[in-house]
Amino acid sequence: AQKITQTQPGMFVQEKEAVTLDCTYDTSDPSYGLFWYKQPSSGEMIFLIYQGSYDQQNATEGRYSLNFQKARKSANLVISASQLGDSAMYFCAMRDWELTGGGNKLTFGTGTQLKVEL
Amino acid sequence: EAQVTQNPRYLITVTGKKLTVTCSQNMNHEYMSWYRQDPGLGLRQIYYSMNVEVTDKGDVPEGYKVSRKEKRNFPLILESPSPNQTSLYFCASSSYGEGGGTDTQYFGPGTRLTVL
Repeated sequence: AQKITQTQPGMFVQEKEAVTLDCTYDTSDPSYGLFWYKQPSSGEMIFLIYQGSYDQQNATEGRYSLNFQKARKSANLVISASQLGDSAMYFCAMRDWELTGGGNKLTFGTGTQLKVEL
Repeated sequence: EAQVTQNPRYLITVTGKKLTVTCSQNMNHEYMSWYRQDPGLGLRQIYYSMNVEVTDKGDVPEGYKVSRKEKRNFPLILESPSPNQTSLYFCASSSYGEGGGTDTQYFGPGTRLTVL
């Protein structure tokens, strides 16, 4: 069974500093995708970044980058130059294609609450 | 604007009173899904649909029904709601590709349901 683990229930970071949110995963499928979503206090789920298991380079999207270490089965999100608006819950999620029989089910971690301070 | 819409956004109801939460997407996506979010548990899939008239159970389907009569719509039905179905519900949609970023699921704004 696939599983996503986020071990940091909450984190604090000062404005303009970088922060790393941890995510480890477990799957036996060689083909999978890893996603990060942001959930602000308003509740919506905002897609941030995607990393495919066969991608050779770490994904980047603006201030977001994904530190993908396949051998360690980790997919940590790095937010550079934190802003007050980054305060939110962050979820790591995984989809594996073979085990879901072609479906697009995402398995989510329990989330990390990030608070950016002045 | 590409989007997934859900209605209602907030709903307070009583045990046993049937309700429907609607979901609609304008991106011509084949795949649609319902999740519920509970504190400490993340999001868990309730039901999904890979296309019109094709639906299947997710991880927590008990107490829910779905239908997919049109590609754009995927309503969630609670025939007899109970207090343990109090939760935040999300509808999501994506294209049905072979993998990669095109399979990214886009979420609706969420429906906060309270069952008394």
